[in-house]
Amino acid sequence: GAGVSQTPSNKVTEKGKYVELRCDPISGHTALYWYRQSLGQGPEFLIYFQGTGAADDSGLPNDRFFAVRPEGSVSTLKIQRTERGDSAVYLCASSLTKASGGGSEQFFGPGTRLTVL
Amino acid sequence: QKEVEQDPGPLSVPEGAIVSLNCTYSNSAFQYFMWYRQYSRKGPELLMYTYSSGNKEDGRFTAQVDKSSKYISLFIRDSQPSDSATYLCAMGSGGYQKVTFGTGTKLQVIP
Repeated sequence: GAGVSQTPSNKVTEKGKYVELRCDPISGHTALYWYRQSLGQGPEFLIYFQGTGAADDSGLPNDRFFAVRPEGSVSTLKIQRTERGDSAVYLCASSLTKASGGGSEQFFGPGTRLTVL
Repeated sequence: QKEVEQDPGPLSVPEGAIVSLNCTYSNSAFQYFMWYRQYSRKGPELLMYTYSSGNKEDGRFTAQVDKSSKYISLFIRDSQPSDSATYLCAMGSGGYQKVTFGTGTKLQVIP
């Protein structure tokens, strides 16, 4: 596709349930990022993948949160035993990785709006 | 104290005004600086990206970085109603782009 896509666009669940959020990055982008954006706040880093491996998961708030990227393309963010405080917009971004290091523009998807009742 | 501080606004200006948006930061390790624009219910979109202190201009937008003061700015000239959005400053360091965002400033340009 032309851009980063995320599904579903909206997810309403009950406290204690399990949810999966999907991200399709831009084709050819090796780096993939998950962020969480609460109301009135900027995006907060959760995890970064380089290829299939999680290079940095220091932003995951606790062990209820887990993400995978098994084939180096699509990624799934998984949240177990959801809590009301998990309600937020979950954003995915992808980028090329420069061989020399340094930053590369991240392209964001529209996000999944998660509501935990 | 947050690593990146940004006034959340809202900021309301008349069409054609010059808009000044600012952020301060505390982490000296930040090496690159960005401004994103986010429309309601959309993902952030990169506007400006710079590594160094000084000014960078792109059309109606000018980004300014002062590393000695740990202060960055975004200026929008001849503001338009279509500029109404939330503007997020963002900063990164290290070999990959782990980005720390400000809270965002909500801008409304009134026709």
